[in-house]
Amino acid sequence: GAGVSQSPRYKVAKRGQDVALRCDPISGHVSLFWYQQALGQGPEFLTYFQNEAQLDKSGLPSDRFFAERPEGSVSTLKIQRTQQEDSAVYLCASTLGGIAGYEQYFGPGTRLTVT
Amino acid sequence: AQRVTQPEKLLSVFKGAPVELKCNYSYSGSPELFWYVQYSRQRLQLLLRHISRESIKGFTADLNKGETSFHLKKPFAQEEDSAMYYCALSDAGGYQKVTFGTGTKLQVIP
Repeated sequence: GAGVSQSPRYKVAKRGQDVALRCDPISGHVSLFWYQQALGQGPEFLTYFQNEAQLDKSGLPSDRFFAERPEGSVSTLKIQRTQQEDSAVYLCASTLGGIAGYEQYFGPGTRLTVT
Repeated sequence: AQRVTQPEKLLSVFKGAPVELKCNYSYSGSPELFWYVQYSRQRLQLLLRHISRESIKGFTADLNKGETSFHLKKPFAQEEDSAMYYCALSDAGGYQKVTFGTGTKLQVIP
Protein backbone atom coordinates (compact mmCIF):
# COMPACT_ATOMS: atom_id res chain seq x y z
CA GLY A 1 0.00 0.00 0.00
CA ALA A 2 0.96 3.64 -0.21
CA GLY A 3 3.20 5.02 2.47
CA VAL A 4 3.20 8.44 4.08
CA SER A 5 3.34 11.17 1.47
CA GLN A 6 4.31 14.79 1.86
CA SER A 7 3.98 17.78 -0.44
CA PRO A 8 5.63 19.77 -1.70
CA ARG A 9 8.94 17.91 -1.62
CA TYR A 10 10.86 21.16 -1.94
CA LYS A 11 9.83 24.68 -1.06
CA VAL A 12 11.75 27.91 -1.42
CA ALA A 13 10.26 30.86 0.41
CA LYS A 14 11.39 34.42 0.79
CA ARG A 15 11.80 35.62 4.34
CA GLY A 16 8.46 36.80 5.64
CA GLN A 17 6.32 34.58 3.43
CA ASP A 18 3.83 32.07 4.81
CA VAL A 19 4.14 28.39 3.85
CA ALA A 20 1.91 25.34 4.21
CA LEU A 21 3.27 21.81 4.24
CA ARG A 22 1.00 18.85 3.76
CA CYS A 23 1.17 15.31 5.11
CA ASP A 24 -0.95 12.36 3.99
CA PRO A 25 -0.53 9.56 6.55
CA ILE A 26 -1.09 5.88 5.93
CA SER A 27 -4.81 5.18 5.82
CA GLY A 28 -6.13 4.11 9.21
CA HIS A 29 -3.16 5.38 11.18
CA VAL A 30 -4.35 7.05 14.35
CA SER A 31 -1.27 9.01 15.32
CA LEU A 32 0.59 11.63 13.35
CA PHE A 33 3.81 13.41 14.20
CA TRP A 34 5.69 16.36 12.75
CA TYR A 35 9.46 16.69 13.13
CA GLN A 36 11.96 19.33 12.09
CA GLN A 37 15.38 18.18 10.94
CA ALA A 38 18.05 20.82 10.58
CA LEU A 39 21.18 20.09 8.56
CA GLY A 40 23.44 17.65 10.38
CA GLN A 41 20.96 17.03 13.16
CA GLY A 42 18.48 14.34 14.06
CA PRO A 43 14.75 14.91 13.72
CA GLU A 44 13.30 17.06 16.50
CA PHE A 45 9.73 16.64 17.66
CA LEU A 46 7.33 19.46 16.84
CA THR A 47 3.81 18.22 17.50
CA TYR A 48 1.59 15.15 17.80
CA PHE A 49 -2.00 14.33 16.85
CA GLN A 50 -4.17 11.44 17.88
CA ASN A 51 -6.93 11.44 15.29
CA GLU A 52 -7.96 15.12 15.03
CA ALA A 53 -6.83 16.06 18.54
CA GLN A 54 -3.51 17.83 18.90
CA LEU A 55 -2.26 16.30 22.14
CA ASP A 56 1.19 17.79 22.29
CA LYS A 57 2.54 20.91 20.63
CA SER A 58 5.39 21.48 23.02
CA GLY A 59 8.00 21.24 20.27
CA LEU A 60 6.68 24.06 18.10
CA PRO A 61 9.48 26.65 18.21
CA SER A 62 7.29 29.75 18.12
CA ASP A 63 3.73 30.95 17.65
CA ARG A 64 4.54 31.31 13.95
CA PHE A 65 4.17 27.54 13.69
CA PHE A 66 0.70 26.04 13.55
CA ALA A 67 -0.47 22.51 12.75
CA GLU A 68 -3.88 21.02 12.17
CA ARG A 69 -5.51 17.72 11.32
CA PRO A 70 -9.19 18.62 11.13
CA GLU A 71 -10.63 15.30 10.00
CA GLY A 72 -8.12 13.01 11.59
CA SER A 73 -6.30 12.13 8.38
CA VAL A 74 -4.43 14.76 6.33
CA SER A 75 -2.39 17.23 8.34
CA THR A 76 -1.00 20.65 7.47
CA LEU A 77 1.93 22.39 9.11
CA LYS A 78 1.82 26.13 8.55
CA ILE A 79 4.67 28.51 9.16
CA GLN A 80 3.90 32.20 9.13
CA ARG A 81 6.39 34.96 8.38
CA THR A 82 9.18 32.48 7.64
CA GLN A 83 12.67 33.21 8.94
CA GLN A 84 16.01 31.85 7.77
CA GLU A 85 16.28 29.67 10.86
CA ASP A 86 13.15 27.83 9.69
CA SER A 87 15.17 26.28 6.85
CA ALA A 88 15.12 22.55 7.48
CA VAL A 89 13.56 19.28 6.36
CA TYR A 90 10.10 18.82 7.84
CA LEU A 91 9.22 15.18 8.40
CA CYS A 92 5.82 13.68 9.00
CA ALA A 93 5.33 10.23 10.53
CA SER A 94 2.26 8.16 11.29
CA THR A 95 1.59 5.11 13.43
CA LEU A 96 -1.23 2.68 13.95
CA GLY A 97 -1.73 3.31 17.65
CA GLY A 98 -1.21 5.82 20.36
CA ILE A 99 0.90 3.81 22.75
CA ALA A 100 4.64 3.48 22.67
CA GLY A 101 6.25 0.62 20.81
CA TYR A 102 4.46 1.08 17.52
CA GLU A 103 6.68 1.66 14.50
CA GLN A 104 6.66 5.17 13.10
CA TYR A 105 6.37 5.34 9.32
CA PHE A 106 8.04 8.40 7.90
CA GLY A 107 7.30 10.43 4.82
CA PRO A 108 10.04 11.62 2.46
CA GLY A 109 10.05 15.07 4.02
CA THR A 110 9.66 18.60 2.70
CA ARG A 111 12.89 20.56 2.35
CA LEU A 112 12.17 24.19 3.16
CA THR A 113 14.71 26.83 2.21
CA VAL A 114 14.09 30.37 3.36
CA THR A 115 16.07 32.99 1.43
CA ALA B 1 14.49 15.81 30.12
CA GLN B 2 15.17 12.92 27.81
CA ARG B 3 18.30 12.98 25.71
CA VAL B 4 20.00 10.66 23.25
CA THR B 5 23.72 10.99 22.55
CA GLN B 6 25.53 9.53 19.58
CA PRO B 7 29.17 10.54 20.03
CA GLU B 8 30.38 9.70 16.53
CA LYS B 9 29.27 11.74 13.52
CA LEU B 10 31.09 9.44 11.13
CA LEU B 11 32.26 5.87 11.46
CA SER B 12 34.31 4.30 8.69
CA VAL B 13 34.99 0.58 8.66
CA PHE B 14 36.24 -1.89 6.10
CA LYS B 15 33.92 -4.47 4.60
CA GLY B 16 33.93 -7.56 6.79
CA ALA B 17 35.02 -5.68 9.92
CA PRO B 18 32.86 -5.50 13.03
CA VAL B 19 30.66 -2.45 13.54
CA GLU B 20 29.58 -0.78 16.76
CA LEU B 21 27.54 2.40 16.68
CA LYS B 22 27.38 3.96 20.11
CA CYS B 23 24.27 5.35 21.75
CA ASN B 24 23.80 6.62 25.28
CA TYR B 25 20.62 8.03 26.71
CA SER B 26 19.34 9.87 29.73
CA TYR B 27 15.79 9.33 30.84
CA SER B 28 14.17 9.12 34.23
CA GLY B 29 11.33 6.79 33.32
CA SER B 30 11.12 3.47 31.54
CA PRO B 31 12.35 3.96 27.99
CA GLU B 32 11.69 2.29 24.70
CA LEU B 33 14.83 2.35 22.56
CA PHE B 34 15.01 2.19 18.80
CA TRP B 35 17.47 2.37 15.96
CA TYR B 36 16.29 4.08 12.77
CA VAL B 37 18.22 4.02 9.50
CA GLN B 38 18.21 6.24 6.45
CA TYR B 39 19.80 4.88 3.29
CA SER B 40 20.84 7.26 0.55
CA ARG B 41 17.82 8.88 -1.11
CA GLN B 42 15.40 6.86 1.02
CA ARG B 43 13.17 7.81 3.88
CA LEU B 44 13.86 7.23 7.53
CA GLN B 45 12.80 3.74 8.61
CA LEU B 46 12.83 1.61 11.70
CA LEU B 47 15.73 -0.84 11.91
CA LEU B 48 15.08 -2.44 15.26
CA ARG B 49 13.70 -1.82 18.74
CA HIS B 50 14.91 -3.25 21.99
CA ILE B 51 11.55 -4.64 23.06
CA SER B 52 11.43 -7.09 20.17
CA ARG B 53 14.96 -8.42 20.79
CA GLU B 54 15.38 -9.35 17.17
CA SER B 55 18.26 -9.20 14.73
CA ILE B 56 17.60 -7.23 11.57
CA LYS B 57 20.03 -7.41 8.63
CA GLY B 58 22.56 -8.90 11.05
CA PHE B 59 22.34 -5.96 13.46
CA THR B 60 21.62 -6.37 17.16
CA ALA B 61 21.35 -3.92 20.03
CA ASP B 62 21.25 -4.64 23.73
CA LEU B 63 19.75 -2.26 26.22
CA ASN B 64 22.10 -1.77 29.16
CA LYS B 65 20.17 0.10 31.83
CA GLY B 66 23.17 0.30 34.15
CA GLU B 67 25.26 2.11 31.56
CA THR B 68 22.20 3.73 29.91
CA SER B 69 23.43 2.53 26.55
CA PHE B 70 21.91 0.94 23.47
CA HIS B 71 24.82 0.32 21.13
CA LEU B 72 24.16 -1.12 17.67
CA LYS B 73 26.41 -3.96 16.59
CA LYS B 74 27.10 -6.12 13.58
CA PRO B 75 29.90 -8.68 13.39
CA PHE B 76 30.72 -8.25 9.69
CA ALA B 77 29.97 -5.00 7.89
CA GLN B 78 28.65 -5.05 4.31
CA GLU B 79 28.77 -2.26 1.75
CA GLU B 80 24.98 -1.99 1.75
CA ASP B 81 25.10 -1.09 5.44
CA SER B 82 26.43 2.35 4.52
CA ALA B 83 23.76 4.76 5.74
CA MET B 84 22.82 7.26 8.42
CA TYR B 85 21.84 5.64 11.73
CA TYR B 86 19.78 7.34 14.42
CA CYS B 87 19.29 6.10 17.94
CA ALA B 88 15.93 7.10 19.40
CA LEU B 89 13.98 6.91 22.63
CA SER B 90 10.35 7.12 23.66
CA ASP B 91 8.47 6.63 26.88
CA ALA B 92 7.34 3.06 27.40
CA GLY B 93 4.31 4.06 29.38
CA GLY B 94 3.11 6.93 27.28
CA TYR B 95 2.53 7.89 23.70
CA GLN B 96 5.12 7.81 21.04
CA LYS B 97 6.92 11.13 21.16
CA VAL B 98 10.35 10.10 20.00
CA THR B 99 13.60 11.81 20.85
CA PHE B 100 16.34 11.23 18.28
CA GLY B 101 20.10 11.44 18.53
CA THR B 102 22.10 13.47 16.05
CA GLY B 103 22.95 10.41 14.00
CA THR B 104 26.07 8.54 12.94
CA LYS B 105 27.01 8.11 9.32
CA LEU B 106 28.36 4.62 8.72
CA GLN B 107 30.67 4.30 5.76
CA VAL B 108 31.70 0.79 4.79
CA ILE B 109 34.84 0.80 2.68
CA PRO B 110 35.02 -1.96 0.06
